[in-house]
Amino acid sequence: DAKTTQPPSMDCAEGRAANLPCNHSTISGNEYVYWYRQIHSQGPQYIIHGLKNNETNEMASLIITEDRKSSTLILPHATLRDTAVYYCIVSPHYGGSQGNLIFGKGTKLSVKP
Amino acid sequence: DAGVTQSPTHLIKTRGQQVTLRCSPKSGHDTVSWYQQALGQGPQFIFQYYEEEERQRGNFPDRFSGHQFPNYSSELNVNALLLGDSALYLCASSSLGGGAFFGQGTRLTVV
Repeated sequence: DAKTTQPPSMDCAEGRAANLPCNHSTISGNEYVYWYRQIHSQGPQYIIHGLKNNETNEMASLIITEDRKSSTLILPHATLRDTAVYYCIVSPHYGGSQGNLIFGKGTKLSVKP
Repeated sequence: DAGVTQSPTHLIKTRGQQVTLRCSPKSGHDTVSWYQQALGQGPQFIFQYYEEEERQRGNFPDRFSGHQFPNYSSELNVNALLLGDSALYLCASSSLGGGAFFGQGTRLTVV
């Protein structure tokens, strides 16, 4: 079973920031927080990951609480193309590489004009 | 960079047959994982290959087997196909410290 809890759906106005929450209260010390998204009928797309520090890349920012029990993915200026199912996953590394990903039901983000 | 490529894109097989799906990882990636995604569900982990060995395995029967070649490409084999094996099969590649990049998948239909 997935070790994360996400709201099933969220709406966001185009051009505004989308803040997607995730609870992972049983996360272990060696587990990373990963975010992926999946647009209908396509393969999942990697967004960002982190261990304990906040991370930012060209797609999004990841804010992890100090106790690591929850995190928030921030899409700073949502567009219609950001409409997708967003998955928050915790996973350890094996030999330095990403281990198996256990996908839950994710959050269906709908960006509206 | 072509990213992760999978072949074929679509496939129709008959119950009891065997199927082989292929995956070429993203350039520079040495780890390949396979996932099964049934309609309306999230992807489920099948197994992961690294250095031509199966490193991790999910809860799938032995009918599902795989292989990784020296050039890091990989195959997924499924024997004795069941109707329930109909799904989108996804390949993901990764390397040290990075996230996994997924291909567009192979849509397998078992009739």
